[in-house]
Amino acid sequence: NAGVTQTPKFRILKIGQSMTLQCAQDMNHNYMYWYRQDPGMGLKLIYYSVGAGITDKGEVPNGYNVSRSTTEDFPLRLELAAPSQTSVYFCASSSEGTSLYEQYFGPGTRLTVT
Amino acid sequence: GESVGLHLPTLSVQEGDNSIINCAYSNSASDYFIWYKQESGKGPQFIIDIRSNMDKRQGQRVTVLLNKTVKHLSLQIAATQPGDSAVYFCAEKDTGFQKLVFGTGTRLLVSP
Repeated sequence: NAGVTQTPKFRILKIGQSMTLQCAQDMNHNYMYWYRQDPGMGLKLIYYSVGAGITDKGEVPNGYNVSRSTTEDFPLRLELAAPSQTSVYFCASSSEGTSLYEQYFGPGTRLTVT
Repeated sequence: GESVGLHLPTLSVQEGDNSIINCAYSNSASDYFIWYKQESGKGPQFIIDIRSNMDKRQGQRVTVLLNKTVKHLSLQIAATQPGDSAVYFCAEKDTGFQKLVFGTGTRLLVSP
């Protein structure tokens, strides 16, 4: 299994541009999450999904959108990039079939908005 | 290079020492806690978890202690190795569904 994969690894955006951060998992996990991690801070939950077709807001959803059309994929969309969205973004997944709250994380996408 | 966590509290130990990393949590209703390890340039990795009906849980070289009275969690690493150098996060399960709330992290530096 590849686990949780994220693309791209790095990206620089200009203010106002849009982009989609890709996340995929091959563990058949039904729960998926998007976090952002700012310097000196812990992870903040942006959005999460409990299954295909179901998404919900986390702690810091403003400026982002998600979709979950398949179990495997959970893309994160930034529509109008702002400098405040400069961060490292992590996707994670988990399953009731394993340790209930053990989340598997991808390697992250480092995004800079200038 | 890794720039996340530049201003994190740091614990420096010598190889072979025992390390204790502390975490205070705020939600007295949290019923589940997890420790994650994050190496430079990588995503967090699960280490050990504990439910609120327990005071202590042991894994391989790691022990988690939970003191619900003072809302304090600690991670003990025995015989710390250079490969243990990383940022360690505690997380508590929100009363919401499958959501974790992460602490700010502690950087562990192990010198040979």
